Amino acid sequence: QVQLVESGGGVVQSGGSLRLSCAASGFTFSSYGMHWVRQAPGKGLEWMAFIRYDGTNKYYADSVRGRFTISRDNSKNTLYLQMNSLRAEDTAMYYCVRLQQSTVAVYWGQGTLVTVSS
Amino acid sequence: DVVMTQSPLSLPVTLGQPASISCRSSQSLVYSDGNTYLNWFQQRPGQSPRRLIYKVSDRDSGVPDRFSGSGSGTDFTLKISRVEAEDVGVYYCMQGSHWPYTFGQGTKLEIK
Repeated sequence: QVQLVESGGGVVQSGGSLRLSCAASGFTFSSYGMHWVRQAPGKGLEWMAFIRYDGTNKYYADSVRGRFTISRDNSKNTLYLQMNSLRAEDTAMYYCVRLQQSTVAVYWGQGTLVTVSS
Repeated sequence: DVVMTQSPLSLPVTLGQPASISCRSSQSLVYSDGNTYLNWFQQRPGQSPRRLIYKVSDRDSGVPDRFSGSGSGTDFTLKISRVEAEDVGVYYCMQGSHWPYTFGQGTKLEIK
């Protein structure tokens, strides 16, 4: 069955860096574009970033462009989110998501919590 | 960026009664291929979100047929024909026609 398992979250000081990972299994990872979506405590969903199946195209939300970098290693079936210059407002649960604009099923990980302390 | 505006933000509903959530986009969501990439997600308390509807009105596999989506251009609606207790949660629209993708603020459905 499809599984997406995020890791790498934790507590980091403002201005610091963190790298999130998402280990994928149960499907051909290299065939799917992947997204990161976050949710601040008690708040709504915020779309963060997307990477094409082969890594050639990447898109970002305005709030993180220039600070966050999405990448993937198809040989390791793993998605990454490098987060630099972290701010208090980046505190959130971060989800990796397999989402296509079609009948293909959508899968979310369980999320990894990032807390930025000021 | 496309701004997605949902209303109402809070929706108390009696069990068995219908419910309706509106979602408006700041620009047309008709993509160059002719499709309109408007999705609806449900997030039950303590759970990861689940997609209910894609391309305005197509239901994902396993989604009860009491959920339906409609709309076009910039105005979209999610309807629940008869609310059940398991429908409690927050509902989000999300557009996938323009980068960056964007979500609405969310509508919290509760039982009256």
